[in-house]
Amino acid sequence: NAGVTQTPKFQVLKTGQSMTLQCAQDMNHEYMSWYRQDPGMGLRLIHYSVGAGITDQGEVPNGYNVSRSTTEDFPLRLLSAAPSQTSVYFCASSRTDSGNTIYFGEGSWLTVV
Amino acid sequence: AQSVAQPEDQVNVAEGNPLTVKCTYSVSGNPYLFWYVQYPNRGLQFLLKYITGDNLVKGSYGFEAEFNKSQTSFHLKKPSALVSDSALYFCAVRDIGDDKIIFGKGTRLHILP
Repeated sequence: NAGVTQTPKFQVLKTGQSMTLQCAQDMNHEYMSWYRQDPGMGLRLIHYSVGAGITDQGEVPNGYNVSRSTTEDFPLRLLSAAPSQTSVYFCASSRTDSGNTIYFGEGSWLTVV
Repeated sequence: AQSVAQPEDQVNVAEGNPLTVKCTYSVSGNPYLFWYVQYPNRGLQFLLKYITGDNLVKGSYGFEAEFNKSQTSFHLKKPSALVSDSALYFCAVRDIGDDKIIFGKGTRLHILP
């Protein structure tokens, strides 16, 4: 029962460093997405994908890159970390049928100093 | 573009009393609507969803929600609150034919013993 797995769970970066948050799901879901959660801002969509080779921007895409080479994996890359990217990041997946439930990973806590 | 509003940052309810957490939405077409709950330092857990059919939807842990198309609302309710219901609640919407799922800012529910 792995579901949606995110790594790492905690990370501290220095301003300007790059890193990749990993996300994998074992439910054969076509749809995968990344959200960031900030106090008072709720969950904001960063990027999403409806299948391998297909990605699209969400509400707050700047400073982040994604790729989808396989159905299972959807990594999120921070190109040059900034303190404003300090947040909790959640990966989520679902079937592409719009009524399907979306399932979340446990989150990745990122601090940029 | 779809959007969700949760007008209350926090709701306080005495244990045993009924609770309501409000949600309104905006979509261009017909909506799929969801409620999720988040406990401290955890990911989001699915509570219930409205796809079509009966406007009153029943979900996990005794929660229910009523879809009101004329008021574009999807309020979460429970007849008798428990202290263990204290958590952060998110409403979300997916427009039919779209892939993105957009979340509200969340409402913190405090159940007072």
